[in-house]
Amino acid sequence: GAVVSQHPSRVICKSGTSVKIECRSLDFQATTMFWYRQFPKQSLMLMATSNEGSKATYEQGVEKDKFLINHASLTLSTLTVTSAHPEDSSFYICSALSTGLGEQYFGPGTRLTVT
Amino acid sequence: QQQVKQSPQSLIVQKGGISIINCAYENTAFDYFPWYQQFPGKGPALLIAIRPDVSEKKEGRFTISFNKSAKQFSLHIMDSQPGDSATYFCAARGSTLGRLYFGRGTQLTVWP
Repeated sequence: GAVVSQHPSRVICKSGTSVKIECRSLDFQATTMFWYRQFPKQSLMLMATSNEGSKATYEQGVEKDKFLINHASLTLSTLTVTSAHPEDSSFYICSALSTGLGEQYFGPGTRLTVT
Repeated sequence: QQQVKQSPQSLIVQKGGISIINCAYENTAFDYFPWYQQFPGKGPALLIAIRPDVSEKKEGRFTISFNKSAKQFSLHIMDSQPGDSATYFCAARGSTLGRLYFGRGTQLTVWP
């Protein structure tokens, strides 16, 4: 089956530092990847849509200068949280759209804690 | 504005019982309706999905019923097991770039 990986699975960083999260589609190519944020006991909130080779499209209210997204290849997208603050602590999940299968597959998520 | 409305928020079912989760949508342009299962600390996993030209789809103990005219769809879990205890999300896909619109989720607890 289609597998999406995320790295790291957990990260703790100090306030003011930047953190990079990688999302990889392991056995399929994904021209489109999505980044979500999820707070405890809440639904997934779409942050941005990432297309290979072009700029990401951010949802309303998401600061593009704070959440930098790069989709440099058909199997890798990265989310960088710049100048992280405690309120950025959350569960970040990526998904990759398999154009061949027409399905969206989710990664296992990254738990970010900013102290 | 919530594009997909899901109910109930939480559900407690006895082992062997039927779990039913309902969703409703307004946008008739949605063309694909998946259900995801999520365990604590994990990413969502695709459970079953249906397209609007089909009224029912069954995979093992999981069935989606789809009512196009009412713009509603539901997930039925037959013979519910404690291992089914998780949060379930319904979703609907817009035709643009495969973006998914999620319901708020249903926390299912199956008592042994």
